[in-house]
Amino acid sequence: EIVMTQSPATLSVSPGERATLSCRASQSVTRNLAWYQQKPGQAPRLLIYGASTRATGIPARFSGSGSGTEFTLTISSLQSEDFAVYYCQHFNNWPRTFGQGTKVEIK
Amino acid sequence: QITLKESGPTLVKPTQTLTLTCTISGFSLSTSGVGVGWIRQSPGKALEWLALIYWDADKRYSPSLQSRLTITRDTSKNQVVLTLTNMDPVDTATYYCAHCSGGTCNYFDYWGQGTLVTVSS
Repeated sequence: EIVMTQSPATLSVSPGERATLSCRASQSVTRNLAWYQQKPGQAPRLLIYGASTRATGIPARFSGSGSGTEFTLTISSLQSEDFAVYYCQHFNNWPRTFGQGTKVEIK
Repeated sequence: QITLKESGPTLVKPTQTLTLTCTISGFSLSTSGVGVGWIRQSPGKALEWLALIYWDADKRYSPSLQSRLTITRDTSKNQVVLTLTNMDPVDTATYYCAHCSGGTCNYFDYWGQGTLVTVSS
């Protein structure tokens, strides 16, 4: 089973600033990686798949990069609605696994 | 418009079997390439991938829970059913069903609202 490790656990950012979230896989997942956003009391929302393709309706301030074992989600200019928990998930093989999440909080 | 909705008991006793139903609309469980999965989230914890069923009834399970999980589909009712046997308090979680997309059902693009299941005597 591939272990997904996200860092940092919590990221404190001021509105308008850039946020950079990391996700590391225990073995290569090529570009088979997705990112989700989850707000309190809500279901997760797909942001990115294929490491860098934005899902339908996702603003351009969200971007994904990386391949192999190292991935990054960047939010270029944080808006108030972006404060949430972010999860990565690989889909390179079975079972699919999620990271433990990064909470982006207001600084 | 794709929607999914989970239903089932909110409280189960230890050792009991949990049965959850995911009712879907806006897509067909018979359409080639379609898949529906279940994911859970313990309070304050991360997401945990549980199981997946494809349009052709092929299934995938989390290895750590495979002995306790069963996923089935009823195309006539547009439902996917998840059963988890021998429930334990550690199984207390919000259970989500989700529509998956991309090749071999790679990522979840539509989610249900989730249903909280508490395991307690």
